[in-house]
Amino acid sequence: GAVVSQHPSWVICKSGTSVKIECRSLDFQATTMFWYRQFPKQSLMLMATSNEGSKATYEQGVEKDKFLINHASLTLSTLTVTSAHPEDSSFYICSASPQETQYFGPGTRLLVL
Amino acid sequence: EDQVTQSPEALRLQEGESSSLNCSYTVSGLRGLFWYRQDPGKGPEFLFTLYSAGEEKEKERLKATLTKKESFLHITAPKPEDSATYLCAVQAGNAGNMLTFGGGTRLMVKP
Repeated sequence: GAVVSQHPSWVICKSGTSVKIECRSLDFQATTMFWYRQFPKQSLMLMATSNEGSKATYEQGVEKDKFLINHASLTLSTLTVTSAHPEDSSFYICSASPQETQYFGPGTRLLVL
Repeated sequence: EDQVTQSPEALRLQEGESSSLNCSYTVSGLRGLFWYRQDPGKGPEFLFTLYSAGEEKEKERLKATLTKKESFLHITAPKPEDSATYLCAVQAGNAGNMLTFGGGTRLMVKP
């Protein structure tokens, strides 16, 4: 149980385009999901908390207009990187919790050319 | 502010050489301490949750322990497939399900 999926697993895009990443809880409902980014050989950095039916809560320094989060159902949250630039290239990971334990998706590697 | 510090940053072991990874933390009202394993290019995989000082949990060659200031992940007779980054995270009582992560320990086990 407690399986979280992400799609796509990797994406390459041109600078200036937008990219949408999906995070799904497959066998449980999640009112809250979390989005992280991870740079090589570094730990996870929380970007935002996604709340079903309401606005996301962004961590300090994360641009909410650049990283759009939508949590339209109890099993799906999406992260859209708008007008992506090479510095947005990173590993994006989502997580969801059926109770107190967070279970992580497999991650999405984004490369912006 | 909640803080988590893991040591060492990297650890090289020979197969069969037991060792421990440390996770020191400061948190306002610990709700839970979590250990995850992360393989390169993948999301973290849940290992253990510890809730109170004195608690211990085991899974195969791994054993996690908790005190009021730190947690240890003991690895007994490791195998090359135990090579990964091990992440420690704390959950504060007033932060919902939010986690604060340490920097991780990269473990390499040589055959």
